[in-house]
Amino acid sequence: QQQVKQSPQSLIVQKGGISIINCAYENTAFDYFPWYQQFPGKGPALLIAIRPDVSEKKEGRFTISFNKSAKQFSLHIMDSQPGDSATYFCAASMHFGGANNLFFGTGTRLTVIP
Amino acid sequence: EPEVTQTPSHQVTQMGQEVILRCVPISNHLYFYWYRQILGQKVEFLVSFYNNEISEKSEIFDDQFSVERPDGSNFTLKIRSTKLEDSAMYFCASSRVVADTQYFGPGTRLTVL
Repeated sequence: QQQVKQSPQSLIVQKGGISIINCAYENTAFDYFPWYQQFPGKGPALLIAIRPDVSEKKEGRFTISFNKSAKQFSLHIMDSQPGDSATYFCAASMHFGGANNLFFGTGTRLTVIP
Repeated sequence: EPEVTQTPSHQVTQMGQEVILRCVPISNHLYFYWYRQILGQKVEFLVSFYNNEISEKSEIFDDQFSVERPDGSNFTLKIRSTKLEDSAMYFCASSRVVADTQYFGPGTRLTVL
């Protein structure tokens, strides 16, 4: 069962452009939605996260938009830079009963062209 | 800044052999996790560990797998009899409390021949 669906699989954006990655989830018990950034040969690193009590969270050039009714959330990277080129994973987890395992999306390989 | 460390960075083994992957979580963290990522695929949860026992495990984490915290700093994943399909990147993660951010290590690339 694919709990978190992510699109697109790959994305090419010009420097200065906006990168948008979308995720959808199925389990309404999810209450934590992080985005991880992964560079080749490295482990995933937390980029930004949101909880369902807010519809948007912004940190610098990175914004998460969250639509609870549609069970969708997205990552927007403003003013995309070549250094943002990496694979981005959305994830979701629930904390009910002490569970905290992350369900990851399939990843989006972002390439920012100078 | 504290970080999760993992050793070795790359392990090559023959099918049927036992391997132990090692992790040192961030020192004041209480929850520990193992995930794996088959090449080109998504990161998948294997197991979570708290208070010296397994909290949760996925269907991937069968009897071939075990975890242990042998001392106050290390957290290990053992695969008893490796299979070709165990070839993957294995990530250790830790969090301070259950609802907190999980910090991932750099991973161990396991290659089973």
